Amino acid sequence: AQTVTQSQPEMSVQEAETVTLSCTYDTSENNYYLFWYKQPPSRQMILVIRQEAYKQQNATENRFSVNFQKAAKSFSLKISDSQLGDTAMYFCAFTIYNQGGKLIFGQGTELSVKP
Amino acid sequence: KAGVTQTPRYLIKTRGQQVTLSCSPISGHRSVSWYQQTPGQGLQFLFEYFSETQRNKGNFPGRFSGRQFSNSRSEMNVSTLELGDSALYLCASSKGTGGYQETQYFGPGTRLLVL
Repeated sequence: AQTVTQSQPEMSVQEAETVTLSCTYDTSENNYYLFWYKQPPSRQMILVIRQEAYKQQNATENRFSVNFQKAAKSFSLKISDSQLGDTAMYFCAFTIYNQGGKLIFGQGTELSVKP
Repeated sequence: KAGVTQTPRYLIKTRGQQVTLSCSPISGHRSVSWYQQTPGQGLQFLFEYFSETQRNKGNFPGRFSGRQFSNSRSEMNVSTLELGDSALYLCASSKGTGGYQETQYFGPGTRLLVL
């Protein structure tokens, strides 16, 4: 079975600090993509960052970066210089080459950034 | 460029009724996927369409159906509504054929409440 586990239901961080959200996944396939999406209170799902499983180099997007450990099936998200606007639910997800665009999501981590 | 739009944004129905939700993808996007989001089950994939054809289907009963039109707009229908169908229904579009490597862009969702 293909699953995603986010072991931290809730996290909080002070503004300007760094926080890391954990994600592990399970699949027997080798070709897949990994994603982090954020869902603020408005409920609009927004892509944060994506990573191709075949790329060893960790993806970065401004203040967001990932630590991708393929052997461990781990895909954590690091947010640097946290801002109040980062407050949201964060979902880790992946797609597999033989299942088209079907995103398999974790249960989410609710992140609160405190002033 | 306008994002993914979904109508209506909110809907209240009673058990046994049916409902149709609509999704207009980003201009130029050809693939549309639907997801159900509930507090208990999280985000679950419903189906994916490309070129008016259902490419992939999640594990939902036959009461859930969908279709895609030649202009890539999509609708999903739920017949004989049950209380458990209360959820946020999210639509996402991607540029290509709906492959696993494509980024999906989400709409704001339709919140359905079944009484």
